Amino acid sequence: DQQVKQNSPSLSVQEGRISILNCDYTNSMFDYFLWYKKYPAEGPTFLISISSIKDKNEDGRFTVFLNKSAKHLSLHIVPSQPGDSAVYFCAASLSNYGQNFVFGPGTRLSVLP
Amino acid sequence: DVKVTQSSRYLVKRTGEKVFLECVQDMDHENMFWYRQDPGLGLRLIYFSYDVKMKEKGDIPEGYSVSREKKERFSLILESASTNQTSMYLCASSLGAIEQYFGPGTRLTVT
Repeated sequence: DQQVKQNSPSLSVQEGRISILNCDYTNSMFDYFLWYKKYPAEGPTFLISISSIKDKNEDGRFTVFLNKSAKHLSLHIVPSQPGDSAVYFCAASLSNYGQNFVFGPGTRLSVLP
Repeated sequence: DVKVTQSSRYLVKRTGEKVFLECVQDMDHENMFWYRQDPGLGLRLIYFSYDVKMKEKGDIPEGYSVSREKKERFSLILESASTNQTSMYLCASSLGAIEQYFGPGTRLTVT
């Protein structure tokens, strides 16, 4: 059973609107969460992270929200741009060292011009 | 900028062949990782290494081995390739912090 779930395999959004990508996890011991973005034919690149002591982290157009009681996090992209079209992976860790990362299956975001 | 390179972008091998996937990073990172990416399953950790000649099993090590003779190089070995090892293989490195830097991936097809 997957410990990190991204229940939407794909999402389409109009340029300029908000994109919301969701991620759910089952292990309440996870204490660090990341989002990675992956373009075709490239490796994933780190986007934004959040530790369990926070409920929000913001970096430019990207904001990650964490709801520990619901074991849910979301990535908001505002405003969405065509260049944001990619696969987004959510990942969770039991420590901030990285060897215990568990990745979700990814959500493919398409931002339509 | 950190650069992680992988020896091949595409590879086609026959069942039973021994396969070597090479990964090199140029930022003196301590930690290196091998993942495989399959549709609907995300990235799954095969092996990782925290230092030269050190290795640790990840979530799915069966059928794979690794070698780290030099700090910058981490090799993934499929001793006898099987069709269920057809996948995208991603190498990553990190310097003790949480962010991992990924290579472009090797798409391996085993026929």
